[in-house]
Amino acid sequence: DAGVIQSPRHEVTEMGQEVTLRCKPISGHNSLFWYRQTMMRGLELLIYFNNNVPIDDSGMPEDRFSAKMPNASFSTLKIQPSEPRDSAVYFCASSWGRLKKTPQHFGDGTRLSIL
Amino acid sequence: AQTVTQSQPEMSVQEAETVTLSCTYDTSESDYYLFWYKQPPSRQMILVIRQEAYKQQNATENRFSVNFQKAAKSFSLKISDSQLGDAAMYFCAYRSASTGNQFYFGTGTSLTVIP
Repeated sequence: DAGVIQSPRHEVTEMGQEVTLRCKPISGHNSLFWYRQTMMRGLELLIYFNNNVPIDDSGMPEDRFSAKMPNASFSTLKIQPSEPRDSAVYFCASSWGRLKKTPQHFGDGTRLSIL
Repeated sequence: AQTVTQSQPEMSVQEAETVTLSCTYDTSESDYYLFWYKQPPSRQMILVIRQEAYKQQNATENRFSVNFQKAAKSFSLKISDSQLGDAAMYFCAYRSASTGNQFYFGTGTSLTVIP
């Protein structure tokens, strides 16, 4: 079975550029989560969706960050304009929200470097 | 919001020995799920073990077992016969059985295995 698929795996770009990270959750999962991981702040939840609807975006750092989930099989996290402090590993995860004992399944992450 | 605390930022263990990683959590709920995830240097987040709060029996998965103390709100992970491949960051996570789909993660414990 395919797991959570994230792209790109690595992204290096210059400050001020728009960055788009992509995620395909596991088929049948109805909850999707975006996390950011840094050495200083650990694993932070940015936003999560249930049935394609954003439920909690309180972790989104500022207006430069936006996330969408146009359908059950695709989500994007966009940063515009990007800044060096956005450099981190960004994870997407999905789970089956109706069966609470199911764990979150993580993608391999996108390592983002903003120069 | 629930909080998950991992008080040991770093731990080390001699190969073949046993190590216990600590995790405590704060909740007023009686029904929930607890998870341990492993993140090796490859940065994948891998589910190690899961515990359902309504089950008194401690979960075990091969060399991995938990000591679940519900009254104390403690959920420690024991790794027996430690192997070099166990070296990783370990995260404890909490999920409510009733409210929302969010997972709450601790800050992680970095485990070093000494040959």
